[in-house]
Amino acid sequence: TAGITQAPTSQILAAGRSMTLRCTQDMRHNAMYWYRQDLGLGLRLIHYSNTAGTTGKGEVPDGYSVSRANTDDFPLTLASAVPSQTSVYFCASSDSPGAGNTGELFFGEGSRLTVL
Amino acid sequence: GQNIDQPTEMTATEGAIVQINCTYQTSGFNGLFWYQQHAGEAPTFLSYNVLDGLEEKGRFSSFLSRSKGYSYLLLKELQMKDSASYLCALMDSNYQLIWGAGTKLIIKP
Repeated sequence: TAGITQAPTSQILAAGRSMTLRCTQDMRHNAMYWYRQDLGLGLRLIHYSNTAGTTGKGEVPDGYSVSRANTDDFPLTLASAVPSQTSVYFCASSDSPGAGNTGELFFGEGSRLTVL
Repeated sequence: GQNIDQPTEMTATEGAIVQINCTYQTSGFNGLFWYQQHAGEAPTFLSYNVLDGLEEKGRFSSFLSRSKGYSYLLLKELQMKDSASYLCALMDSNYQLIWGAGTKLIIKP
């Protein structure tokens, strides 16, 4: 089973360029998330989507945008990349917490982005 | 506000037992998670506690005290493959996860 797939796994990007990180899940989870992980800071939520057609801002949304046109896909776009966006990006999905679901997150393998 | 604290790094010996603590402050609580993350890999789910007490799962156990804002992850019979970072995460009243910075566990032979 694929679970949750991210692409690309690694990318070097010139500052000012745009970039879309792709995320697809086949578990029919309602909720999807984008995190960035930086050394010493832990996981920080960028954007999330509780269900197809809706999105919300997380802790560090500036410089990023997302869309959720369907249940399976949740792309993250950097419109004009800056060096501070150099990070490892994780996409995750979960069943909606509550009603017997813990809301456990399933993570993709990550996308390592370097902005020069 | 909401806050989670866990030690930055711990060292233990193969075959021994280690306890990784996590303390938190929150106005709302819907559970506490522990995840394991090997270097260069994605986090994977280990345990979930929503009620006080101990949850045992093989060599790993997780404990929660809601009144004290405290949880720990207990790893028994340590193996070299247990070298990883262990992430504590709190689910708040809005069902959003608040993550600790992680504890890097180093296992020595």
